[in-house]
Amino acid sequence: AQSVTQPDIHITVSEGASLELRCNYSYGATPYLFWYVQSPGQGLQLLLKYFSGDTLVQGIKGFEAEFKRSQSSFNLRKPSVHWSDAAEYFCAVAGGENKLTFGTGTQLKVEL
Amino acid sequence: GAVVSQHPSWVICKSGTSVKIECRSLDFQATTMFWYRQFPKQSLMLMATSNEGSKATYEQGVEKDKFLINHASLTLSTLTVTSAHPEDSSFYICSARATRQNSPLHFGNGTRLTVT
Repeated sequence: AQSVTQPDIHITVSEGASLELRCNYSYGATPYLFWYVQSPGQGLQLLLKYFSGDTLVQGIKGFEAEFKRSQSSFNLRKPSVHWSDAAEYFCAVAGGENKLTFGTGTQLKVEL
Repeated sequence: GAVVSQHPSWVICKSGTSVKIECRSLDFQATTMFWYRQFPKQSLMLMATSNEGSKATYEQGVEKDKFLINHASLTLSTLTVTSAHPEDSSFYICSARATRQNSPLHFGNGTRLTVT
């Protein structure tokens, strides 16, 4: 069965600092990997996804993620965080594009 | 871009009553829609896959008689929480994908259900 682990429940960074959110997955074949962001009381917005090809994926809002098969990881990064990036971030894995399994999320707080 | 609309965004109901939540794809047709449930401070759990014109496929542990799903058209799926109880209070989110190949999954903004 597929699973996703986001080891950090909360992360606090200063505005302008770099950010890395960790995601480890478990899946028997080549996974489809996603990062979503959720603002309070809202739905999810897709930041980026990896299906195949280049292991460094560029997303919206200046985010990127790198797929590392050897580490079963798909960490999300941003060079310089903005206060508006404060939200909850979910990593997800799917065998296809349909049934997603989500991690438990990482709550990002940005200090001004 | 593609938009998925969920209605209502929040609802309060009394224990024992039923609540219907709508999920509409506004500018695309969706053969398949998905319903998720999110408990406070937790991740989203897939409840069921809704297929247009056929019965929904429920995940293990989800009561199909309690969470009725209807996908009557290519742009609308509904989730009805029947005989709601306080433990059904949660955040329900739907997602939908256009019928064309490799189209992304779009999420609604969710419905906050509170059962008193």
